[in-house]
Amino acid sequence: EPEVTQTPSHQVTQMGQEVILRCVPISNHLYFYWYRQILGQKVEFLVSFYNNEISEKSEIFDDQFSVERPDGSNFTLKIRSTKLEDSAMYFCASSVRDRGFDEQFFGPGTRLTVL
Amino acid sequence: SQKIEQNSEALNIQEGKTATLTCNYTNYSPAYLQWYRQDPGRGPVFLLLIRENEKEKRKERLKVTFDTTLKQSLFHITASQPADSATYLCAPRPPGYSSASKIIFGSGTRLSIRP
Repeated sequence: EPEVTQTPSHQVTQMGQEVILRCVPISNHLYFYWYRQILGQKVEFLVSFYNNEISEKSEIFDDQFSVERPDGSNFTLKIRSTKLEDSAMYFCASSVRDRGFDEQFFGPGTRLTVL
Repeated sequence: SQKIEQNSEALNIQEGKTATLTCNYTNYSPAYLQWYRQDPGRGPVFLLLIRENEKEKRKERLKVTFDTTLKQSLFHITASQPADSATYLCAPRPPGYSSASKIIFGSGTRLSIRP
């Protein structure tokens, strides 16, 4: 069964460093998303992406964040200068919008630890 | 702004009993509402979607109801099993339109089924 994959599973970085989190969405999906979950808190929407551009972003997704689909398979989230509060689990998701709703398929997540 | 409320307390029930989880939302009328399951350290997994014109939806041992007057959805697991232990997330469709629909999750209810 096709699934969303994410690498790395765990990323440790120093405050102020840049990180890139990678995702491979399901191959025939057209819509891509990033969410984050701070430990003990709820899953929060960051950004959605379609047709090579951002469709929507939350207040969390400020200028320090960017997304890119560099080729036909990868979808990346970059944090330019990490802060302690960026420590969280980051989930990538993808969907096919061929129905009236979006069932989103989530990846296993990347745990980001900022020291 | 929209508000989603789920049982903040964990729910502990005996194997074989029916688990009932509650989701209340305020300030808008979603066209549909989704339920997701999340296991520790994993991404959410879609379970069921119910539309505003549907009162009830079933899938195997799962049943969801949607009362648009009360602004409430109930999620039932019948004949519960220890493998059903997880956090269950409610996600009413957020208001407004976008070409790729973000999911706004509730904080979730942790369900534990004891043998």
